Order: sequence, then C-alpha cells, then structure tokens
Amino acid sequence: EDQVTQSPEALRLQEGESSSLNCSYTVSGLRGLFWYRQDPGKGPEFLFTLYSAGEEKEKERLKATLTKKESFLHITAPKPEDSATYLCAVQGGRRGGSNYKLTFGKGTLLTVNP
Amino acid sequence: EPEVTQTPSHQVTQMGQEVILRCVPISNHLYFYWYRQILGQKVEFLVSFYNNEISEKSEIFDDQFSVERPDGSNFTLKIRSTKLEDSAMYFCASSEGRPQHFGDGTRLSIL
Repeated sequence: EDQVTQSPEALRLQEGESSSLNCSYTVSGLRGLFWYRQDPGKGPEFLFTLYSAGEEKEKERLKATLTKKESFLHITAPKPEDSATYLCAVQGGRRGGSNYKLTFGKGTLLTVNP
Repeated sequence: EPEVTQTPSHQVTQMGQEVILRCVPISNHLYFYWYRQILGQKVEFLVSFYNNEISEKSEIFDDQFSVERPDGSNFTLKIRSTKLEDSAMYFCASSEGRPQHFGDGTRLSIL
C-alpha cells in the first residue's frame, strides 16, 4: 500500500524567511510525485510533477526536489500570499495506462506573516 | 485556463436520502476521478473512470456509491442512502494522463 507522510504538520514563517517542507513516501512503482497547494474551502491546485530521483522543478519562489524516498518543497523568501496547505501525493502502479489513483499526505499548513 | 467545475458547492441532506454530486471535467480530458476529504483528514481516493467504465475503486466505494458519465460533459457521483459518516468534501478531478486537476469540491453535510 502506498503511503505518504508530510512534515511538519504546520509551519509559521516570517515574510522572507526561507524554509523547506518534507514529503516521505513508499510506493510500488513510482509513476509520479505531485505537489499541490490547497487554499481554505478550495480544491487542490496543481504545482509540480516529479518523475525520477534527482529531478527538480521550479516555479516562482517554490522549488521541488525528489529522491528515492522523499521530496522537498523549498520556499525561498516567502510572501503572505504563499500561505496555504501544501499537499504531496504519489501515483504508483505497474500496469499499463495512466489513470492511477493519487495517495495524499495530510499536508503542511504554511502561514507566512508580514 | 480550463477548469473542473462542481455543483452544488454545498449540499445538505437527511440521512438515508440519495444525493447526486455533479462535475464538469476539463473538455479534452479522458480520465475522471472522485476523491473525498473528511474534515481534518487526508484527501482519499474513491474511484477512477475511463472509457465509460470504472478503472479502479477503493474500499470506501461500496455498493451505495455509483458513478456515471450521462453525456459528453458531465460526470456524477451518486450516494444512494447517505450515512452520517458520508459528511465530507467531495472532489472531482480529471486528467489527460498526468497530472490530475481538481475542482473546488462539494461540501456534503448529512443531518
């Protein structure tokens, strides 16, 4: 069974204070690791897909990295508008096709104070 | 930018009643999903759907649940006899392959 554990559960930063969120995973046949952002009362908003160890993706102040056991979401010089819950999810499977389920972690609630 | 839309945003239903949650996936997507999120818990997979049939379902998706794509644009989740524990946010997602794109959900409240 695929499993995802995210830490910390909550993180409070001052504006401009860089930090990292962790996602540890176990999966049978990794087909992708995904980072989503979720604002209160909204659905998960796609940020990044990572497919193999060593891969990195960047978008504005966010950078996602992947190893064989974990992924990090690095936040550089965050702003208050980066406040949200960040979700990590894995997609695993060994059969053909693309419609595999996502297994999510509980998320990290990030609060960035001005 | 194309998006997944879900209606209603909030549904209040008496226990034992049937409820239908509706979703309009992104138009060129072929794969469709339902997930749910109980307050304070993880987003959980319910079912995936492709080529007019269920591809995979979780243990949660028992006989009280069903999905349908009644026309070329809608994708529905039906819960036949709701229970108190069905109260949750229900998210629809669609994809061309990867990644999955989510709607903003329907909050289902069972009284």
